[in-house]
Amino acid sequence: EIVLTQSPGTLSLSPGERATLSCRASQSVTSRSLAWYQQKPGQAPRLLIYGVSSRATGIPDRFSGSESGTDFTLTISRLEPEDFAVYYCQQYDGSRTFGQGTKVEIK
Amino acid sequence: QVQLQESGPGLVKPSGTLSLTCAVSGGSISSSNWWSWVRQPPGMGLEWIGEIFHGGSTNYNPSLKSRVTISVDRPNNQFSLKLNSVTAADTAVYYCAKIAVAGTFLDCWGPGTLVTVSS
Repeated sequence: EIVLTQSPGTLSLSPGERATLSCRASQSVTSRSLAWYQQKPGQAPRLLIYGVSSRATGIPDRFSGSESGTDFTLTISRLEPEDFAVYYCQQYDGSRTFGQGTKVEIK
Repeated sequence: QVQLQESGPGLVKPSGTLSLTCAVSGGSISSSNWWSWVRQPPGMGLEWIGEIFHGGSTNYNPSLKSRVTISVDRPNNQFSLKLNSVTAADTAVYYCAKIAVAGTFLDCWGPGTLVTVSS
């Protein structure tokens, strides 16, 4: 089973700042099968990024994804008030696993 | 646009069976998609439970496989989850979701339903 480790656990930032979230896989991830989700309190997760770097429908371009080997990054270029939430990465290699999440909170 | 809605008992007794249904609207369950269940214990992260294709093929989380059954009801455009021998550790919000045709990500989620395991 591929384990995804997200860091940091909590990111305290101000609106307008840049957020960089990390997701490290325990082994190589099947070709471009890494996705990111945003979850707000009391809501279901929402797909943000799929295939490592493709934005889902309706997702603003301040959200971007990248990879370097088994390290994956979600970047929010300038935080808007509605971006403060919990973010999860997820991979698929015939079995699905999620990272434990990173909470982006208002500083 | 596909919409999903979970339904089922909100309270299950320990050692009993948790049963949930996910109604699919705005699209056919017999389309080229897999359909999934994910859960989230209170205050914790997401855990994939398993998934099913309309033809009946399934894929389960190895850690839950011995207790889980996912089935599809094509005439009623819905799919279901059964989890047996439940304990308090199975208390969670249960989500159903549609897996994109590419197979690697979940692109549509139901709102979720809280199931509490308690006597």
